[in-house]
Amino acid sequence: AQSVSQHNHHVILSEAASLELGCNYSYGGTVNLFWYVQYPGQHLQLLLKYFSGDPLVKGIKGFEAEFIKSKFSFNLRKPSVQWSDTAEYFCAVNALDGNKLVFGAGTILRVKS
Amino acid sequence: EPEVTQTPSHQVTQMGQEVILRCVPISNHLYFYWYRQILGQKVEFLVSFYNNEISEKSEIFDDQFSVERPDGSNFTLKIRSTKLEDSAMYFCASSEGDDTQYFGPGTRLTVL
Repeated sequence: AQSVSQHNHHVILSEAASLELGCNYSYGGTVNLFWYVQYPGQHLQLLLKYFSGDPLVKGIKGFEAEFIKSKFSFNLRKPSVQWSDTAEYFCAVNALDGNKLVFGAGTILRVKS
Repeated sequence: EPEVTQTPSHQVTQMGQEVILRCVPISNHLYFYWYRQILGQKVEFLVSFYNNEISEKSEIFDDQFSVERPDGSNFTLKIRSTKLEDSAMYFCASSEGDDTQYFGPGTRLTVL
């Protein structure tokens, strides 16, 4: 069965610090990869996605993620976080033999101003 | 920008009662999904729906659950006889078909 692991459940950073959130998945076949963000009181929003091609993908609000196939990883990065990035971040995987998304447990990011 | 909407935002029910959670997917989308998140746990897939039938379902989606697209705009999740462990946030999602799923704000279901 597919599974997704997010390494940190809570991360606290100061503004302007760099961010890297880890995500690893277990599935041997071809996958699509996603990062979703949930701001306080809001719904899950797509941050970025990887389907194929350049393994470094750029998303909204300055976020990017790198797919490393050999490591089954899709880590999220941002060079300089802002207070408004305070949110919960979810990594998700979709195996191409089905529709469902398999989610990680989420990482709660708090950015101190 | 089109959004997925869900009603109600919060539903409180007694154990054993039937509940219907409603969703309006994005209008040109063809694939519809339900997920749930029990407090403190991961978001879990329940069911996907395409062309008026279930295309995939999880082990959680047992005979107590059903989905329906009663008209051209709504997509519903029915739980026939709610249990305490059904208390969760239920998310609806839709996709056009390229696997990018767009989520609604969720319905918080509380079973007493």
